[in-house]
Amino acid sequence: SQKIEQNSEALNIQEGKTATLTCNYTNYSPAYLQWYRQDPGRGPVFLLLIRENEKEKRKERLKVTFDTTLKQSLFHITASQPADSATYLCALEDNFNKFYFGSGTKLNVKP
Amino acid sequence: DAGITQSPRYKITETGRQVTLMCHQTWSHSYMFWYRQDLGHGLRLIYYSAAADITDKGEVPDGYVVSRSKTENFPLTLESATRSQTSVYFCASSESIGITDYNEQFFGPGTRLTVL
Repeated sequence: SQKIEQNSEALNIQEGKTATLTCNYTNYSPAYLQWYRQDPGRGPVFLLLIRENEKEKRKERLKVTFDTTLKQSLFHITASQPADSATYLCALEDNFNKFYFGSGTKLNVKP
Repeated sequence: DAGITQSPRYKITETGRQVTLMCHQTWSHSYMFWYRQDLGHGLRLIYYSAAADITDKGEVPDGYVVSRSKTENFPLTLESATRSQTSVYFCASSESIGITDYNEQFFGPGTRLTVL
């Protein structure tokens, strides 16, 4: 079955720095990847989608890359702020319309 | 209010009991999903529905039953609850799936279920 791996260790960075989160997947090569943000006690919120033919996608301070050769997506937050502290999840849809989510990486941005 | 709601938000039940978790969305989205979230496993798809009366299994469907008689509702039933079904359950909806501009999933606030 499909497997998505995200670094389970929390990422601690200083305010103003760039945070980089990694999402690796195995088996099926998805047509797109999604990134979500999840705050404690709440449901995930959609942030960005990147298609397999897009190398990079930007939205304000967010940037996502997609390397289909490495089977990896990187999620960057530039000029990070304490309000960016949350858990970030990546997700993909396989060709049977099944969705798979990574377990998420917790980001802590310290002032 | 518009959006996606889940009820109850918290539920404690005993092994062997039947439990139904409710999910309601006001956007008339075609697709609805049920996930469970456990430490170390992330979100795992239980069932999803493409439209009223159309449902399909996800990654972990055993022990669960779903129905969708109306577009806006997608209840999840645990027919005989087990301790391993203790989890946080999230319902989500989306307008479409696949490579479209409308495939983002909107999640409800979750139901924390404890099976004793």
